[in-house]
Amino acid sequence: QKEVEQDPGPLSVPEGAIVSLNCTYSNSAFQYFMWYRQYSRKGPELLMYTYSSGNKEDGRFTAQVDKSSKYISLFIRDSQPSDSATYLCAMTYPTDSWGKLQFGAGTQVVVTP
Amino acid sequence: DGGITQSPKYLFRKEGQNVTLSCEQNLNHDAMYWYRQDPGQGLRLIYYSQIVNDFQKGDIAEGYSVSREKKESFPLTVTSAQKNPTAFYLCASSYGQGRSYEQYFGPGTRLTVT
Repeated sequence: QKEVEQDPGPLSVPEGAIVSLNCTYSNSAFQYFMWYRQYSRKGPELLMYTYSSGNKEDGRFTAQVDKSSKYISLFIRDSQPSDSATYLCAMTYPTDSWGKLQFGAGTQVVVTP
Repeated sequence: DGGITQSPKYLFRKEGQNVTLSCEQNLNHDAMYWYRQDPGQGLRLIYYSQIVNDFQKGDIAEGYSVSREKKESFPLTVTSAQKNPTAFYLCASSYGQGRSYEQYFGPGTRLTVT
């Protein structure tokens, strides 16, 4: 079983809708949780990171962490065609100070005009 | 502009040949990483380096080698011992201890071996 599970999609939504993405994980030691966006044939770019539980908001993006359920989410409000990409979750342990990240497989999102 | 560069963007090689992928960063980051990405499998760590002249194996190091002679550079060699080398290779860097969860990626090199 993989440490981090993520539905590969594709997830297709109309422009303006809310995109809801999530990952589940098995290792309760994970403390840092990241979301990356990857456009086709490009390198991933860091969107947001959160430490431990709670919510974090940045513009149209909201990241949530529920450590009791080992579940993290990313919400994209007012989605745009430019949000069409693959979204990767990643996580790591606080004791591993050099950042060996565990990635999910990524969810492909398609926002249709 | 600060960033990470990888070259070449596309690389084609015959089976049995070694090939070296370049990664350079001017972000003044201490740590650098190499990942491999295959369809449906996410990113898997090949090697990482915390400081110059030091590096550690990741989860899938067999068939790969690296060097870290300069802080800015972390080249990856895909050797003929790598059984399935065709993949998208990504280099990343971070400030290291305390902020290593913030990794910044290069544009990637797509390697095709036939």
